[in-house]
Amino acid sequence: AQKVTQAQTEISVVEKEDVTLDCVYETRDTTYYLFWYKQPPSGELVFLIRRNSFDEQNEISGRYSWNFQKSTSSFNFTITASQVVDSAVYFCALSETGNTPLVFGKGTRLSVIA
Amino acid sequence: DGGITQSPKYLFRKEGQNVTLSCEQNLNHDAMYWYRQDPGQGLRLIYYSQIVNDFQKGDIAEGYSVSREKKESFPLTVTSAQKNPTAFYLCASSMPGGENIQYFGAGTRLSVL
Repeated sequence: AQKVTQAQTEISVVEKEDVTLDCVYETRDTTYYLFWYKQPPSGELVFLIRRNSFDEQNEISGRYSWNFQKSTSSFNFTITASQVVDSAVYFCALSETGNTPLVFGKGTRLSVIA
Repeated sequence: DGGITQSPKYLFRKEGQNVTLSCEQNLNHDAMYWYRQDPGQGLRLIYYSQIVNDFQKGDIAEGYSVSREKKESFPLTVTSAQKNPTAFYLCASSMPGGENIQYFGAGTRLSVL
């Protein structure tokens, strides 16, 4: 069975600090997808990134970066120079290939204080 | 604009009543999903449908029912058999081609009167 663990329930940082959100996953599949979603107070989930299991290259998009390590089954998310607008709940998720349901972690609530 | 529309935004259910949550998409996506979110919890799968007229139960399907008569629509009925329906319900859809990026609606918050 697939499982996603986000051990950090809540994190508070002061604006401009860097913050890393941890994600550890379990799967028996050799091919799979990993995702990060952001849920702002409005409630809608916003897609941030998808990674497939064959692509271990780290990715950077503006202030966001992702570190995928198959050896430790981790897919961590770092926000550099955090801003108040980054305050949200962030979810890590896992799926098989194809149009299949996502398995979500319980989320990490990030609060960025001005 | 293309997207996923969930309605209503807020819904109240009386004891013993069935209620239906609407989910419509104009993205031409084949697959659609219903997830339930409880406070401090991740999202849990209720039902999903990969094509019209076909759907599969998720982890917490008891007390819920769905239909998929049209590609654009995937309504969820919360039946009286669901004893703890208070939650935030999110509908999603994903494009064909196997990338499995799911796009979500704004959600429906269901409460019991």
